[in-house]
Amino acid sequence: QITLKESGPALVKPTQTLTLTCTFSGFSLTTRGVLVGWIRQSPGKALEWLALIYWDDDKRYSPSLKNRLTISKDTSKNQVVLSLTNMDPVDTATYYCAYSSGSYSSIWFDPWGQGTLVTVSS
Amino acid sequence: QSVLTQPPSISEAPRQRVAISCSGSSSNIGNNAVSWYQQLPGQAPKLLIYYDNLLPSGVSDRFSASKSGTSASLAISGLQSEDEADYYCATWDDSLNGMIFGGGTKLTVL
Repeated sequence: QITLKESGPALVKPTQTLTLTCTFSGFSLTTRGVLVGWIRQSPGKALEWLALIYWDDDKRYSPSLKNRLTISKDTSKNQVVLSLTNMDPVDTATYYCAYSSGSYSSIWFDPWGQGTLVTVSS
Repeated sequence: QSVLTQPPSISEAPRQRVAISCSGSSSNIGNNAVSWYQQLPGQAPKLLIYYDNLLPSGVSDRFSASKSGTSASLAISGLQSEDEADYYCATWDDSLNGMIFGGGTKLTVL
């Protein structure tokens, strides 16, 4: 059974850097074709994909946030870490990590973590 | 505004059938697999459809999907009150070099 769980601060101040950790079980990020993605959802808004990291350390970022995002993995800890710099109140959202496998042309996320709400406020 | 266009809301009576559209382009839906997600209030999204029209194990066969050209559609038959949720389409976009989600459709079962 694959499970993922997000962790990190619930509150960050404007201009700070947000660091979130996705801790997973039931799969290995060393397995060919496996990837973990991050998606966020601002209150009352649609899902927004942020980044993904592949088993071979290939990484992709949302073009609109690329300059602020960094994704990395620690396969020994079964964790994926997402950093978002220069936080702003508009970055207030629930952040999800999710599992997928396959090529870029055929990615679907299943399952998802429960999500973690991050509020940006001074 | 999302690259994938979905109707913001749709409503239908119980036991009826509803279809939710997702319109894109040749760089996304036209060339890559579409997935659909159901998000119940206060919950994380759940995969409903993958690879355009395949149902994951455990998903009711009242859900079905199709794709034609640069558009995709999710259909729900025999509507039940428990189907009230937000529904999202998603796919890879070759031009953006990343995943994209539709703007979401809120389904109300009257």
